[in-house]
Amino acid sequence: AQSVAQPEDQVNVAEGNPLTVKCTYSVSGNPYLFWYVQYPNRGLQFLLKYITGDNLVKGSYGFEAEFNKSQTSFHLKKPSALVSDSALYFCAVRDFLITFGTGTRLQVTL
Amino acid sequence: DVKVTQSSRYLVKRTGEKVFLECVQDMDHENMFWYRQDPGLGLRLIYFSYDVKMKEKGDIPEGYSVSREKKERFSLILESASTNQTSMYLCASSSQVRGNTGELFFGEGSRLTVL
Repeated sequence: AQSVAQPEDQVNVAEGNPLTVKCTYSVSGNPYLFWYVQYPNRGLQFLLKYITGDNLVKGSYGFEAEFNKSQTSFHLKKPSALVSDSALYFCAVRDFLITFGTGTRLQVTL
Repeated sequence: DVKVTQSSRYLVKRTGEKVFLECVQDMDHENMFWYRQDPGLGLRLIYFSYDVKMKEKGDIPEGYSVSREKKERFSLILESASTNQTSMYLCASSSQVRGNTGELFFGEGSRLTVL
C-alpha cells in the first residue's frame, strides 16, 4: 500500500531565508507526487506535481520540489521565504488513489 | 475559473441529527471525493465516486453515506451525527481524461460541529 510521511509537524523559518518541507513516500511502481497548500479555514490548493522527467519541479508562488528516487523523497523548497507562505503543506502520492501525508505547518516570521 | 463549491462553510448540529453536506463542481469531472481533515491525522478518505450513481468506500466510511444522482453533485450524509464526527469536511474532484495525472481540485471545506 502507498504511504506518505511528513516527519515535521512544524517548520519555522525567518523571512528571506530558504525553506525546506520534507516528504518521503512509499509506492509500488512509478510515483505521481504532489504538493498542496492550505491557508486557514480554506480548502487545499494545488502547488506542483512530479510525474516524470526533470527531478526539479517548479510550481506556484516560487515553490519547487526535488524528486529523489533513491531516497524516495520529494522535498518542497523555496529559496526565499515570505511571511505570506505561512500555511499548512501537504505532500501526496498517487497510485490508484491519492494518499496524503499528515501535513506540515510552515511558520515564517519577520 | 474552475470551481468546487461546498454549500455550507460552517454548520452546528446536535447529536442524532441527520446532516447533509453538498458539493457541486463545474469542471465536468468524473471523479468526486469526500475527505475529513483532523489535526495530526491529515486527510482521510470517506467515500469516492467514479460516475453517476457509483460509490466506493474509502478508508473511514463508517457512519457516513453518499449520493451521486448527477455528475456535478456529490452529497455526504451523516445519518445520525455524533460528536466524534466534528471535523472539517473537504470535497474534491478530478478528471478521468486519458493522460490526466489525477490532481485534485478542492472546495473551501465545511466545518461541522456536533454538540
